[in-house]
Amino acid sequence: DIVMTQSPLSLPVTPGEPASISCRSSQSLLHSNGYSYLDWYLQKPGQSPQLLIYLSYKRASGVPERFSGSGSGTDFTLKISRVEAEDVGIYYCMQSLQPPLTFGGGTKAEIK
Amino acid sequence: QVHLQQWGAGLLKTSETLSLTCAVFGGSFSGYYWTWIRQPPGKGLEWIGEISHNGITKYNPSLKGRGTISMDRSKNQFSLKVRSLTAADTAVYYCARSNAVAASGFDPWGRGTLVAVSS
Repeated sequence: DIVMTQSPLSLPVTPGEPASISCRSSQSLLHSNGYSYLDWYLQKPGQSPQLLIYLSYKRASGVPERFSGSGSGTDFTLKISRVEAEDVGIYYCMQSLQPPLTFGGGTKAEIK
Repeated sequence: QVHLQQWGAGLLKTSETLSLTCAVFGGSFSGYYWTWIRQPPGKGLEWIGEISHNGITKYNPSLKGRGTISMDRSKNQFSLKVRSLTAADTAVYYCARSNAVAASGFDPWGRGTLVAVSS
C-alpha cells in the first residue's frame, strides 16, 4: 500500500494569514498521463469531508481561490493564501493512483 | 446537483453483518465509481472499496474478504455489506462518488452513518 504522511499534525492558524500543509507519499503518484493522483479534502467539525483539490493542483468546483495545491511525484503542498475562520477542521491528503486508495493521517487546523 | 442519501442499521453485534445503502439523486450512475469510506471514532479515513458503473468492484485488503459492494441501477442505489463484524468495524461509514475517467476526487459525499458494533 502507498503510505501517505502529512505534516504538521496540528496547525494553529490566524485569520488573514497564510497557512500550508505538506503531504508525502511512499511512492510516486505520477501517472503516465503526466498528472499526480493526489487529492486534498477538508472535514469541517461534524461534517462529511469535502473535496478541495484533485490531481494535485486542480481546484474543485466551488472551492475558494485562496486554496491552492502544488507538487508532483511524492511531495505535495496545500496552501491557504489568507485563512478564514471557516477553514478550521481536519485536512486530509489522499492518493488515488492505485488501490487501496489511502489517506494521510490528517492535519487539524485550529484558530490560534 | 447530485446528492447522496445513505441509510442502514446503526447498532450491531459482533459476528453480524453490516448492511448500508446509498441512493443517488440528481445524476446518472454511468461514468462514475461509487465508493464506501469509513472513519473510526476520532480517527482518520479508510477507503473500503468501490464499484464502477459497469459493476467492477475493488476492495481494500484490510477487510480480509468480508466486504461486498453491489448496485441496483434500476433504483440508482449501491450497497455495502460487511460480514463477521468486530468492534474494530465501529465507524462512521460514508458513501461517495468519483469520476471514472477524470480522477476528479470524491464528490459528493453522503452524510455518513454511524455503525457501532458491540458484543
